[in-house]
Amino acid sequence: NAGVTQTPKFQVLKTGQSMTLQCAQDMNHNSMYWYRQDPGMGLRLIYYSASEGTTDKGEVPNGYNVSRLNKREFSLRLESAAPSQTSVYFCASSEQDGPYEQYFGPGTRLTVT
Amino acid sequence: AQSVTQLDSQVPVFEEAPVELRCNYSSSVSVYLFWYVQYPNQGLQLLLKYLSGSTLVESINGFEAEFNKSQTSFHLRKPSVHISDTAEYFCAVRRDTGNQFYFGTGTSLTVIP
Repeated sequence: NAGVTQTPKFQVLKTGQSMTLQCAQDMNHNSMYWYRQDPGMGLRLIYYSASEGTTDKGEVPNGYNVSRLNKREFSLRLESAAPSQTSVYFCASSEQDGPYEQYFGPGTRLTVT
Repeated sequence: AQSVTQLDSQVPVFEEAPVELRCNYSSSVSVYLFWYVQYPNQGLQLLLKYLSGSTLVESINGFEAEFNKSQTSFHLRKPSVHISDTAEYFCAVRRDTGNQFYFGTGTSLTVIP
């Protein structure tokens, strides 16, 4: 039982390049989330998917797109990376609704030069 | 919208001293409350949670938190900290309906030998 996995762990991009961050969970959770973490700002929600087939914008969706590929996988795409997207990205999953906590992946540290 | 306030961004404390990390939230509806811990270069892990019932909840490593509905607070305490408790601590709220979690900006706890 791996929990929530993310790839890659580290990535360096040049401004304007694109990339996709991958996330998978093996806990049969309905809901999945993408956050970014920046110093002094805590976790900010980029997008979430309440259930397979649905996605919704969070607090900071600009510059990102997501795909809920199936119940297990939720990817985050940067179409044209900018230095402001330098951050640590976390994927999380949880049961849908109710008194359930989130489970987090180990994170992807992205640097855009 | 929900908001979560962690009043202290950094808390230095000597080893074996007590500590309190403060968390206040705003909500007009019932919520579930969580404390997460993040060790350096890792993802977030659940420390403890309040769902219902007894307002005092405990973790396996000596932390406790008390839900105070009238003050809308969920402060985290430990009577005697260890070096290994050095980490970032996040308070989070989830409404009893809906899929979003709302995080505070985090408190960096540093335990001084």
